[in-house]
Amino acid sequence: KNQVEQSPQSLIILEGKNCTLQCNYTVSPFSNLRWYKQDTGRGPVSLTIMTFSENTKSNGRYTATLDADTKQSSLHITASQLSDSASYICVVISYSNYQLIWGAGTKLIIKP
Amino acid sequence: NAGVTQTPKFQVLKTGQSMTLQCAQDMNHEYMSWYRQDPGMGLRLIHYSVGAGITDQGEVPNGYNVSRSTTEDFPLRLLSAAPSQTSVYFCASSYSWQKDYEQYFGPGTRLTVT
Repeated sequence: KNQVEQSPQSLIILEGKNCTLQCNYTVSPFSNLRWYKQDTGRGPVSLTIMTFSENTKSNGRYTATLDADTKQSSLHITASQLSDSASYICVVISYSNYQLIWGAGTKLIIKP
Repeated sequence: NAGVTQTPKFQVLKTGQSMTLQCAQDMNHEYMSWYRQDPGMGLRLIHYSVGAGITDQGEVPNGYNVSRSTTEDFPLRLLSAAPSQTSVYFCASSYSWQKDYEQYFGPGTRLTVT
């Protein structure tokens, strides 16, 4: 069964610290993987997309990695800011039918 | 551009009532979809449309209807509200039906059914 699991479910860190969010998937065949940021009370907004051949991609203080062999992706946030408080959602696209499999998200809280 | 807009922002219904959630986009996107988001779960696809006049069911379509008479609008109708439909509903649009294109989401409608 195609599944996407994210960990941890929630995370609290101090402002200025780094953190890494995990996304493990069992989707096959794999097309690509996208990370979304969802602020409280808002819709998700895309941060980055990772294709099969990409290992690392950065978007400002956000760096996503992908290991297609182990079917794992991570989102690393550097020098966290209060505005990084949000839920981060991983979604994997299956190549066979372009199905989107959504993770439940990681809720990140940045404390001053 | 306003992007994707949704109304209302909040809604409370009694069991058995019907209502329509409105969604509009001004990006001339061909693909539009409706999701529901429940605590501890990933987004679940309700219905989608690949163009005006074309709609199809998603993962959890029961109790919902959609229509797409124009490129811009994609309303979601709850036929007879049930407490299990208490959720946050998101409308999204994308340039293409191919799912690797970025989806743009509206701000959501928080629906409570009592």
